[in-house]
Order: sequence, then structure tokens, then C-alpha cells
Amino acid sequence: KQEVTQIPAALSVPEGENLVLNCSFTDSAIYNLQWFRQDPGKGLTSLLLIQSSQREQTSGRLNASLDKSSGRSTLYIAASQPGDSATYLCAVVDMEYGNKLVFGAGTILRVKS
Amino acid sequence: DVKVTQSSRYLVKRTGEKVFLECVQDMDHENMFWYRQDPGLGLRLIYFSYDVKMKEKGDIPEGYSVSREKKERFSLILESASTNQTSMYLCASSFGGVDTEAFFGQGTRLTVV
Repeated sequence: KQEVTQIPAALSVPEGENLVLNCSFTDSAIYNLQWFRQDPGKGLTSLLLIQSSQREQTSGRLNASLDKSSGRSTLYIAASQPGDSATYLCAVVDMEYGNKLVFGAGTILRVKS
Repeated sequence: DVKVTQSSRYLVKRTGEKVFLECVQDMDHENMFWYRQDPGLGLRLIYFSYDVKMKEKGDIPEGYSVSREKKERFSLILESASTNQTSMYLCASSFGGVDTEAFFGQGTRLTVV
């Protein structure tokens, strides 16, 4: 059964720092990987979708990479801002589970001003 | 922009009540999902629908049922609400297939007293 792990569980950084969030998955047979942001008490906002054939995707200050063979993805946030403070979740759609997302537990990010 | 709208942000219901959570999407998506999110347990799939009147059980369907009479609307039903169903409920939708991006609603915080 697919398991998704996110490290670290929590991260606190000063404003302006570049940072990396990690996501690993146990079964490399995935269709895609998606990164989400969740603000406290709110729903999930889609940040980036990486198809299994892709290596990375970029949106503004965000860059997500995917190494399917090693079961890893990273979300790179450049020049962090206090407004980036949120929980970041990664999820995979794997070939055995069909078109349903399997989520990691998330990384709680705090960017201090 | 894709919009997934959940009918309520906050709900308080009594034990034993029948509870309806409604979700509507405006992008003609085939797939719709209901998740619940609890501290320490992450997001868990309750039910999934890939077409009108079609449904599949997720990881934790006990105590829940769903209805999808129209493509844009997916309802989650708590037949007899219990206190252990107090949670954040999240609806999502995506196009058919296994490699499409999922979009989430704003969440419904349900408290059963």
C-alpha cells in the first residue's frame, strides 16, 4: 500500500530564506504528484502538479521536482515571505489505488518577519 | 478558475441527526471525492464518484453514504451523526482519468455534540 511521508513535520525560517520541503513515497508506480497549500481552518489550494513523465514544474517562486525512481519530490520556495506560512501537503495518484490521492501528513511552515 | 463550493463552512449537529454535506463544482469534472481531515491522521478518503450515480468506497466509509444525482453535485450523508464524526470535511473534484489535477473546496468544520 502506498505511503507518503513528508519531512520535516515543521519548519521555522526567517523571511527571505530559500527552503526545501521533502516528500517521499514508497511505490514509484504513480501517475502524478501534486503539492497543495492549506491555511489554518481552510481547504487545500493546488500549487503544482507534476506528471509521472515530468521532472519538475515551476510557478513563480515555487519549484517542484520529481524523481520517480527514488520515490522523492521536493518543493523549493525561493525568497520566503511571511505570507508563505501554511501547511504544505504532497499527494500522489498511484497506479494501484486508481485516480484517488494519497496524502502525506504535511509540513507546517512558519516564515518569521 | 475552477470552483468547488461546499455548502457550509461550519456546522453543529446533535448526536443521532441525519446530516447532509453538499459539494458543487463548476468545471464539468467527472471525478468527485469526499475526505475527512483529523489531527495526527491526515486526510482520509471517505467516498469517491467517477460519474453520475457511480460511487466507490474509500478507506473509511463506515457511517457515511453519498449521492451523486447530477454531475456537478456530490453529497455526503451522515446517516446518524456521532461524536467521532466531528471533523473537517473536504470535497474535491478533477477531470476523468488518472493524471488530472484535483481541486478542493473550502472545507466544512462539523461538530457533533
